[in-house]
Amino acid sequence: DAGVIQSPRHEVTEMGQEVTLRCKPISGHDYLFWYRQTMMRGLELLIYFNNNVPIDDSGMPEDRFSAKMPNASFSTLKIQPSEPRDSAVYFCAISQGGTGQPQHFGDGTRLSIL
Amino acid sequence: QKEVEQNSGPLSVPEGAIASLNCTYSDRGSQSFFWYRQYSGKSPELIMFIYSNGDKEDGRFTAQLNKASQYVSLLIRDSQPSDSATYLCAVEGGADGLTFGKGTHLIIQP
Repeated sequence: DAGVIQSPRHEVTEMGQEVTLRCKPISGHDYLFWYRQTMMRGLELLIYFNNNVPIDDSGMPEDRFSAKMPNASFSTLKIQPSEPRDSAVYFCAISQGGTGQPQHFGDGTRLSIL
Repeated sequence: QKEVEQNSGPLSVPEGAIASLNCTYSDRGSQSFFWYRQYSGKSPELIMFIYSNGDKEDGRFTAQLNKASQYVSLLIRDSQPSDSATYLCAVEGGADGLTFGKGTHLIIQP
């Protein structure tokens, strides 16, 4: 989706390492969401921002996970230290006008923790 | 805990037939409902959204919503092999954001 650029597309690292996932919204939005997708649990909301302010982080699995949005064009999701169970596809999505509006997803980051 | 339930499938439909995908949800207060298509290894792609009871049509796709029964469905007419994908139902939960079902794997048989 041209509206959201995520990097890296793939990340393989060893457990215990710090991992930083990046999201750059291109098109207009005021909401930004981070999701994690696994076969077992499906697509889960981790955290979302409204106008760069974190609104709900109840989906963040533990203190090892943190997210920031320093400006409207950039957000990061950090895992420190990483564990094998963090292996998943992480998506960033954006919407305009509220959580009940259509969301548009980036291509995702496939994360593998060895 | 807000829940969205979908039959995981696979749902196998002959080419040219109607594919019917179903979804139930637990939160009676939900106001917005979405269908996403996800090809293997790709990101979810929005194909339909519906806010009001009844039917909403867009090309070969029709979304149906019944809030009293807490039920939303997606019909795909004249199914094509390119429609083979996983279809995710998503339900808005106010400040909790969207809750996604685990998806139905649809296979269109040529």
